[in-house]
Amino acid sequence: GAGVSQSPRYKVAKRGQDVALRCDPISGHVSLFWYQQALGQGPEFLTYFQNEAQLDKSGLPSDRFFAERPEGSVSTLKIQRTQQEDSAVYLCASSYGTGASGANVLTFGAGSRLTVL
Amino acid sequence: KNEVEQSPQNLTAQEGEFITINCSYSVGISALHWLQQHPGGGIVSLFMLSSGKKKHGRLIATINIQEKHSSLHITASHPRDSAVYICAVHYTGTASKLTFGTGTRLQVTL
Repeated sequence: GAGVSQSPRYKVAKRGQDVALRCDPISGHVSLFWYQQALGQGPEFLTYFQNEAQLDKSGLPSDRFFAERPEGSVSTLKIQRTQQEDSAVYLCASSYGTGASGANVLTFGAGSRLTVL
Repeated sequence: KNEVEQSPQNLTAQEGEFITINCSYSVGISALHWLQQHPGGGIVSLFMLSSGKKKHGRLIATINIQEKHSSLHITASHPRDSAVYICAVHYTGTASKLTFGTGTRLQVTL
């Protein structure tokens, strides 16, 4: 696709519900990142995929958060038993290259805004 | 304490003014990004740089590796430049993730 597509754009969940957020990166992009952005804050790293391999999940805040990218393209971020503190915008970004190289200019999606009541 | 510091946090300018946003970081990096985020909108990558200077239209980004400091300049600012500008770095050895600053909110008025 022309850009990074995320869905849903907005999600309201009751506390305790499970949610799934989808990211469709630019075709051919090897690297895929998930970030969490709380209101008024800068994004915080959650996890990184290189193709289908999840190479870094050090930013996932708890074991309620799970991400996958089974075929090396579309990725899903799942949050189980949502809590109010999970309310944030979840951003997905992809890049053609790997690591901090000139090919690693990031393209961000518009984000999925999660509100947990 | 955030490892990437930006200043100012908020900035109001009149149309046409020259604007500078600063970013400093604490340890060695392999690359630095400048990003733009409009209210309710996604993030757009403006620059990625590891040394020297880059220019794109009215935007100029510079980085001084020795001083661990980068600046984003906007010449002849315009109301459409109003957005949050975010500095983010790849710390050396952590190329898989970016560490973000908290952003600088810019408002350009007529």
